Amino acid sequence: RKEVEQDPGPFNVPEGATVAFNCTYSNSASQSFFWYRQDCRKEPKLLMSVYSSGNEDGRFTAQLNRASQYISLLIRDSKLSDSATYLCVVNYNTDKLIFGTGTRLQVFP
Amino acid sequence: DGGITQSPKYLFRKEGQNVTLSCEQNLNHDAMYWYRQDPGQGLRLIYYSQIVNDFQKGDIAEGYSVSREKKESFPLTVTSAQKNPTAFYLCASKSGQGDTEAFFGQGTRLTVV
Repeated sequence: RKEVEQDPGPFNVPEGATVAFNCTYSNSASQSFFWYRQDCRKEPKLLMSVYSSGNEDGRFTAQLNRASQYISLLIRDSKLSDSATYLCVVNYNTDKLIFGTGTRLQVFP
Repeated sequence: DGGITQSPKYLFRKEGQNVTLSCEQNLNHDAMYWYRQDPGQGLRLIYYSQIVNDFQKGDIAEGYSVSREKKESFPLTVTSAQKNPTAFYLCASKSGQGDTEAFFGQGTRLTVV
């Protein structure tokens, strides 16, 4: 079993749709969690950190469920510019950063 | 400008040759990382370093070597022992304090022919 697992997609959604991605992790020693966005043939960039209480940044909402060991990302009112691959990232207390395989999102007009 | 720089952007090598990829950061970050990404795949951790003169193997360290002689530099050598070296290599750094953001270089596309 991989340490961090994501549905690879692709998720094809129309503009304005709400879409949710989940990510599961296997190591309960995981300390911090992130969502990164990667555009085609580019480096990943931080989208948002994920906090235990859940957090929101505009149209994006991230949730963490430590008991079930998963994190989620919700995107509301999808835009064409949201088309990208979304990577779930888990940080262990040794500063070991593990990435999921990524979920590809394609928003169409 | 502060940031993390990888060079070169594209690299071609003949099979059987060792090749070293450069990664330099001027962010004063303690932790640095090397990842490999294959087409349509996520990032797989090769090596990481939390402090100068120390580094740890990631999930796919076989066929690779690193050094961390200076805080700002973390070069990766792809050796001839690496069976499938053609890939996109990404270097990252972060301040070694838990939930801080990792910054990435623009990556090096290595093609071995």
